Amino acid sequence: EAGVVQSPRYKIIEKKQPVAFWCNPISGHNTLYWYRQNLGQGPELLIRYENEEAVDDSQLPKDRFSAERLKGVDSTLKIQPAELGDSAVYLCASSLDQAEELFFGSGTQLSVL
Amino acid sequence: GQQLNQSPQSMFIQEGEDVSMNCTSSSIFNTWLWYKQDPGEGPVLLIALYKAGELTSNGRLTAQFGITRKDSFLNISASIPSDVGIYFCAGHDSTDKLIFGTGTRLQVFP
Repeated sequence: EAGVVQSPRYKIIEKKQPVAFWCNPISGHNTLYWYRQNLGQGPELLIRYENEEAVDDSQLPKDRFSAERLKGVDSTLKIQPAELGDSAVYLCASSLDQAEELFFGSGTQLSVL
Repeated sequence: GQQLNQSPQSMFIQEGEDVSMNCTSSSIFNTWLWYKQDPGEGPVLLIALYKAGELTSNGRLTAQFGITRKDSFLNISASIPSDVGIYFCAGHDSTDKLIFGTGTRLQVFP
């Protein structure tokens, strides 16, 4: 069975441009997470979905970041406009439910120039 | 955001040596998890600990959930080249949010 699939793997944009990341979780996993990992740091949670409901978005910078999980399956994370400090790896993860093991995708490495 | 403190930050060892790394928090955690991240990949779970004092092994890996619930350690015995990577501790805080450590970068020389 396929793991968590993310695209694109790499994205290079100029500051002030918009960017979007896509995630397809493991089939049947109800909980979906978006994490941001800065260079040399551990992942930090941006948002957690239970099915299609965002149940923890306290760390999401809502002025420029948005996310959606239509139909409780795939999810998209958007940044508009991007800033230099947004350069990081954006990781998507899923789990059967919130108490279960997280499975991570390979991430999207974003470079904002 | 909040992160757990891991030490050491990096380690350079010879193949066959044992490795020990630890993780501390200023607050109590309900679970402790250890992940390994290879370059260009997401973290992969190695060991999960659910009770204070719990000692769990997975092959050459051994981890313990500190009795105070504020720390954990991971030991790797007889290291091999494929152990190279970044090791992260993580724990569920009182709100069940999964918090990650700052990572320990392990390099193994043949």
